[in-house]
Amino acid sequence: RKEVEQDPGPFNVPEGATVAFNCTYSNSASQSFFWYRQDCRKEPKLLMSVYSSGNEDGRFTAQLNRASQYISLLIRDSKLSDSATYLCVVKRLGGGADGLTFGKGTHLIIQP
Amino acid sequence: GAVVSQHPSWVICKSGTSVKIECRSLDFQATTMFWYRQFPKQSLMLMATSNEGSKATYEQGVEKDKFLINHASLTLSTLTVTSAHPEDSSFYICSGSPRSGDLDTQYFGPGTRLTVL
Repeated sequence: RKEVEQDPGPFNVPEGATVAFNCTYSNSASQSFFWYRQDCRKEPKLLMSVYSSGNEDGRFTAQLNRASQYISLLIRDSKLSDSATYLCVVKRLGGGADGLTFGKGTHLIIQP
Repeated sequence: GAVVSQHPSWVICKSGTSVKIECRSLDFQATTMFWYRQFPKQSLMLMATSNEGSKATYEQGVEKDKFLINHASLTLSTLTVTSAHPEDSSFYICSGSPRSGDLDTQYFGPGTRLTVL
């Protein structure tokens, strides 16, 4: 099983719609969780951290379910500029490197 | 927010040559820098972690003699791809963590696209 799994999509949704996607992670000891967005041929940019209690940032809501080991991202009132690949990122424990494990991303296309 | 630059933005080279990529933190000190690569339609994969003044720690499967990392100062880390081959063609991205911040905070550079002919 991959460490971080996401549905690659693409998800095509009309502008103004609400869209949500999930990500599952395999390491139950994972500590920190994030959503990044990556535009085509660009570096990833942090969208938001994900907290157990759930958190909201404008039109974006992130949820973490530790028992089921999944993370969700919900986008309300989607804009054309939301079109991007959304990466689920988990900070893993152990090993010599203290880095982040990235999912392959979910490609979102907002249509006018 | 904190800014990380990378140079060059893209490079095309012949097989067998070596390519050096620079990663600089412009407005913060990065005790730790990370090097990732991303193949098309794949996730970012951590290659190595470098701490200023120390040897880099490589992920399993990454050849340390092929990917030379030097983190000589708190604002500069370099990755040298030695004797590059076409299979090394990828998008290489660095990130830096602020000295006083926690390691959950990483600021990414814009990436370097390497094409080996």
